[in-house]
Amino acid sequence: ETGVTQTPRHLVMGMTNKKSLKCEQHLGHNAMYWYKQSAKKPLELMFVYNFKEQTENNSVPSRFSPECPNSSHLFLHLHTLQPEDSALYLCASRDDSSYEQYFGPGTRLTVT
Amino acid sequence: GENVEQHPSTLSVQEGDSAVIKCTYSDSASNYFPWYKQELGKGPQLIIDIRSNVGEKKDQRIAVTLNKTAKHFSLHITETQPEDSAVYFCAARGYSTLTFGKGTMLLVSP
Repeated sequence: ETGVTQTPRHLVMGMTNKKSLKCEQHLGHNAMYWYKQSAKKPLELMFVYNFKEQTENNSVPSRFSPECPNSSHLFLHLHTLQPEDSALYLCASRDDSSYEQYFGPGTRLTVT
Repeated sequence: GENVEQHPSTLSVQEGDSAVIKCTYSDSASNYFPWYKQELGKGPQLIIDIRSNVGEKKDQRIAVTLNKTAKHFSLHITETQPEDSAVYFCAARGYSTLTFGKGTMLLVSP
């Protein structure tokens, strides 16, 4: 788990709050991903960044706002979320020369 | 886009038995098929993968087979142990991203 770290591990927020999730990868990779994992559903890709540039936005609502200041860090800024946004949010990274994605432990988000 | 179906959704076996999880995919252009293991409270961990130019790959007790014609691939775990209990996900890589199956909860009873 030391390859990709995520903070916080657990987060409870109200619908009017603003919070941010943080991901850091220590693998020297240049691609980073945000996924949403809900019970009994496949992992849903949200955003992809390559060399700090967003290359994919999978029709994610604007209440989720990603930020990638450098190849090692990825943030997901949250505001005015809905209860159905409660889920495990996973970050992953990949080296451009490989297909292998490595996941962090996730942030368990509960929206009340 | 790619669509990945995974079966079964739950699988219970006795310690020492074999376990097989199957996935099908829809995009014939998909060329990379990883399997992930997710334990409670952890993120998915890559356990084995296979490229489309290979039919089978083995790593100790774990093996993956790929049938490109039928567009299906399978994970085989032999001599299962209680620590193999987890949720297993298959995935297929199409143009640039991975599409995941819904997962299989494997329970290995001592």
